[in-house]
Amino acid sequence: QITLKESGPTLVKPTQTLTLTCTFSGFSLSTSGVGVDWIRQPPGKALEWLALIYWDDDKRYSPSLRSRLTITKDTSKNQVVLSMTNMDPVDTATYFCAKRRLGAPPAYWGQGTLVTVSS
Amino acid sequence: EIVLTQSPGTLSLSPGERATLSCRASQSVSSSYLAWYQQKPGQAPRLLIYGASSRATGIPDKFSGTGSGTDFTLTISRLEPEDFAVYYCQQYGSSPPWTFGQGTKVEIK
Repeated sequence: QITLKESGPTLVKPTQTLTLTCTFSGFSLSTSGVGVDWIRQPPGKALEWLALIYWDDDKRYSPSLRSRLTITKDTSKNQVVLSMTNMDPVDTATYFCAKRRLGAPPAYWGQGTLVTVSS
Repeated sequence: EIVLTQSPGTLSLSPGERATLSCRASQSVSSSYLAWYQQKPGQAPRLLIYGASSRATGIPDKFSGTGSGTDFTLTISRLEPEDFAVYYCQQYGSSPPWTFGQGTKVEIK
């Protein structure tokens, strides 16, 4: 059974750095072809893809947010970490992590975690 | 960046009716790397269709996807109460960003 769960702060202040952790089970990020995405959704709005890390440490970022994002993995802990610098109220959203395979869309999603940016 | 435009924004239908949702891309989606998701309030998206027309594991055959290039369609053959939700398309071709459409809400008429 594949599960993913996001964790991190629920409230951050403007200009701070957000660090979110995706802890997963039921698969390994050392298996060829496997990747983990981060996707966010502002309240009442559409989904926005943020970043992806593959089993071979290949990393991809949204061009519009590239300068603010860092994605890393810890295969031994079954975790993927996303950092986003210089947080702003417009970054208030539910952040999801999701598992995919190479050439396929994200098929398994975490429940999401709501992050509010406010002073 | 490929922009996906979904129409209509809201679809008001009755249970038992057929729903037809459209997703149009600003440029051709490579290898029909187009997916459809269903999202209910407070839940994560659920993958319905990948590769434009292949149903994901466990998805009933009332959901079907068609299309290629820049025009894609999701059809729900007979709406049941649990099908009223928001539906998103996503392109996941060779290069990021792997964009989503703005969503179509299917509501009870």
